[in-house]
Amino acid sequence: GENVEQHPSTLSVQEGDSAVIKCTYSDSASNYFPWYKQELGKRPQLIIDIRSNVGEKKDQRIAVTLNKTAKHFSLHITETQPEDSAVYFCAAITGRGSTLGRLYFGRGTQLTVWP
Amino acid sequence: KAGVTQTPRYLIKTRGQQVTLSCSPISGHRSVSWYQQTPGQGLQFLFEYFSETQRNKGNFPGRFSGRQFSNSRSEMNVSTLELGDSALYLCASSLGRGTVNTEAFFGQGTRLTVV
Repeated sequence: GENVEQHPSTLSVQEGDSAVIKCTYSDSASNYFPWYKQELGKRPQLIIDIRSNVGEKKDQRIAVTLNKTAKHFSLHITETQPEDSAVYFCAAITGRGSTLGRLYFGRGTQLTVWP
Repeated sequence: KAGVTQTPRYLIKTRGQQVTLSCSPISGHRSVSWYQQTPGQGLQFLFEYFSETQRNKGNFPGRFSGRQFSNSRSEMNVSTLELGDSALYLCASSLGRGTVNTEAFFGQGTRLTVV
């Protein structure tokens, strides 16, 4: 099955700096890559996603890039704020019928933004 | 539009007991997935239901089972509880239409503690 690896596991940045979280996947059939943010004690919330026919997507301070050839995708957060502090998960879904609907998650990145 | 609703929010059970968790997806969503979240293992996929049929299953023992009703609500059952089953159980709903992977939204989760 699909295997998603996420790095780094922890990331500390100063407020205003940028943060980058990287993920790799193994199944070339994967075609949808969402990112979730989970604050302490809360549910994972979808913050941005990208499909395999797109190389980059941006939404205000966050952006995601996808390199299908290298099988990796990254989350970029610019002008970080303390409220960006959370655990971020990347995920992938394959386009295969037998695994439709199954999210393969990375292990998560604890992002801490210091004021 | 109401979000994904999970009940109960918290449960304390003793070893050997069984438990049933409920998930009501977003109206119109036909796919419901279940995940177990623990600090050490991250988000582990349990199973996914679409139109009352189990479409995917993760690597959990047969003590973990589920079902989906005609209104897309889903239940998850764990029998003969073990201490290691203590976790946050999350369900996610998505449209699940055709072969296109669509956004998945999580409920608040059920925090299960086995003592």
